Amino acid sequence: GQQLNQSPQSMFIQEGEDVSMNCTSSSIFNTWLWYKQDPGEGPVLLIALYKAGELTSNGRLTAQFGITRKDSFLNISASIPSDVGIYFCAGQRYNQGGKLIFGQGTELSVKP
Amino acid sequence: DSGVTQTPKHLITATGQRVTLRCSPRSGDLSVYWYQQSLDQGLQFLIQYYNGEERAKGNILERFSAQQFPDLHSELNLSSLELGDSALYFCASSLSGGATDTQYFGPGTRLTVL
Repeated sequence: GQQLNQSPQSMFIQEGEDVSMNCTSSSIFNTWLWYKQDPGEGPVLLIALYKAGELTSNGRLTAQFGITRKDSFLNISASIPSDVGIYFCAGQRYNQGGKLIFGQGTELSVKP
Repeated sequence: DSGVTQTPKHLITATGQRVTLRCSPRSGDLSVYWYQQSLDQGLQFLIQYYNGEERAKGNILERFSAQQFPDLHSELNLSSLELGDSALYFCASSLSGGATDTQYFGPGTRLTVL
């Protein structure tokens, strides 16, 4: 079953607002990733984090790999309507091949 | 478009039946992965292949099996289907199958078991 706790489950925000979501785990991961899934599509990678404490940006998105290796957060600044979708965190461990363990997802709705 | 193709896009079948889902990885990728997405379980890793060999296994049921062929395409076989097997099945591919590889997901196959 799922080993990652992602929150919040859903968010309803106004266009232009900033968004923050996070993921926690009871055990360590070597890699943290954030994906976005649009309706009828497969998940698309947004940001990958490979080192504890790492802070990485991709446009208006910023993500951090927690120093304990048990958590990560994703921030979206100045949200726009096309940010709508489901955001997933995922973790990987070196001794498990390429296996991704996903969080439950955060559904983001943006009101214009 | 991720470059990963999956067929069919939709599949409707009855309990007890067997189906085969097909995946073609991105050009140059040697590793394929299968994931199941359902409302109650979320996105769950099923199995990974690298260059024809099984590399990692998740909570894949014994009724399910997969393989990767010499041309690197992969098939996921689901047999003795139950209502609870209804889900979206995603294939992903990556270059070498390591833990730092980027996985590119296909558009998925939606399976409905009636």
